[in-house]
Amino acid sequence: DTEVTQTPKHLVMGMTNKKSLKCEQHMGHRAMYWYKQKAKKPPELMFVYSYEKLSINESVPSRFSPECPNSSLLNLHLHALQPEDSALYLCASSRKAMTSGGTNTGELFFGEGSRLTVL
Amino acid sequence: QQQVKQSPQSLIVQKGGISIINCAYENTAFDYFPWYQQFPGKGPALLIAIRPDVSEKKEGRFTISFNKSAKQFSLHIMDSQPGDSATYFCAARTGTASKLTFGTGTRLQVTL
Repeated sequence: DTEVTQTPKHLVMGMTNKKSLKCEQHMGHRAMYWYKQKAKKPPELMFVYSYEKLSINESVPSRFSPECPNSSLLNLHLHALQPEDSALYLCASSRKAMTSGGTNTGELFFGEGSRLTVL
Repeated sequence: QQQVKQSPQSLIVQKGGISIINCAYENTAFDYFPWYQQFPGKGPALLIAIRPDVSEKKEGRFTISFNKSAKQFSLHIMDSQPGDSATYFCAARTGTASKLTFGTGTRLQVTL
């Protein structure tokens, strides 16, 4: 069982809807990530939060809005999405995002994903 | 320079056989090379990882071989089982980076 929990597992929304994806981890990790994965493709990084601050935004359209309320929670707010945004959205966490001396083990723990369908 | 090339795209192996998946990279700053296993409808899970200061790492039936001079690394699955049928992604990152660069994935099917 993964220790990164994502809800909902499935979401169907229209292009005018507003919805949110939620992610929670209780491993004490200080870095959290959103990835998007299309069928038969590798995960693509969208956002990275390090110590609850947004550290990487991979030029993601503004219709995706991330939020990190605290070190255990990560949300992805969705608004005015397009059908091509339909994908598996994966949350991940790691002990820390950036090294500050020493070695970053780099181990990412993924959740099971939220399958999003935009009609 | 940031790419990680993975082959083959798909692989069919008989039960008990050896599955071999290869990856190659260009960026010599990469210093951490994990392999992820992903079952349909699930998120990727870390399978095994290696750093370039060792040439081989083994965990159970899974072995990573690493060739630093050739900038290549591979995953070997010994005694492949039907339960190993999944998509495998190699990846790479630098020690100070938050971003994993994934390979394109290999869909492995282990037949009876």
